[in-house]
Amino acid sequence: GESVGLHLPTLSVQEGDNSIINCAYSNSASDYFIWYKQESGKGPQFIIDIRSNMDKRQGQRVTVLLNKTVKHLSLQIAATQPGDSAVYFCASMRGQNFVFGPGTRLSVLP
Amino acid sequence: EAQVTQNPRYLITVTGKKLTVTCSQNMNHEYMSWYRQDPGLGLRQIYYSMNVEVTDKGDVPEGYKVSRKEKRNFPLILESPSPNQTSLYFCASSLSFITDTQYFGPGTRLTVL
Repeated sequence: GESVGLHLPTLSVQEGDNSIINCAYSNSASDYFIWYKQESGKGPQFIIDIRSNMDKRQGQRVTVLLNKTVKHLSLQIAATQPGDSAVYFCASMRGQNFVFGPGTRLSVLP
Repeated sequence: EAQVTQNPRYLITVTGKKLTVTCSQNMNHEYMSWYRQDPGLGLRQIYYSMNVEVTDKGDVPEGYKVSRKEKRNFPLILESPSPNQTSLYFCASSLSFITDTQYFGPGTRLTVL
């Protein structure tokens, strides 16, 4: 059935290194994808999105890559900082509602 | 300040006692949505609303009701709460449902004993 999942539940990176968080989705009809960041005790916060007619989109220090062939999405964070420590969710749009993955916890090591 | 507010932020109740969690946004957004967040499951959509008087079921609507009588408010109603509804609930809104950024509220932590 429909699912949006992440390959790893936790990820630890050294401060200053690049982070890559992965996500797989199952519904090939999904045409819009979003990455959210959730800090402890707060609601999810939009990071970056991408439509299915794109392969790559860049923001400030973040890049989202979409591979529709294998239904895979990734979030790359450049020069990871302590403030990037959070849980990251991918979400896909199916019809009029959103399906979220279970999340990956990113820990930034000093 | 543009924001989504939820009340209460924390609630402990008992099985069967009706409760309402309020959600309000001041951004004139059309699309509003309720999610529950459980460990290992991420966020699951309960109900959403495209506009006033238009609501639809999400992935996990059982045991919940919603209403959208005004554009700014989207309350979540649990008529007869059960322990499996213990969760962290988030309300979200966006200008429209079509690829607009959703803004999330701070969350409501509900415990049903």
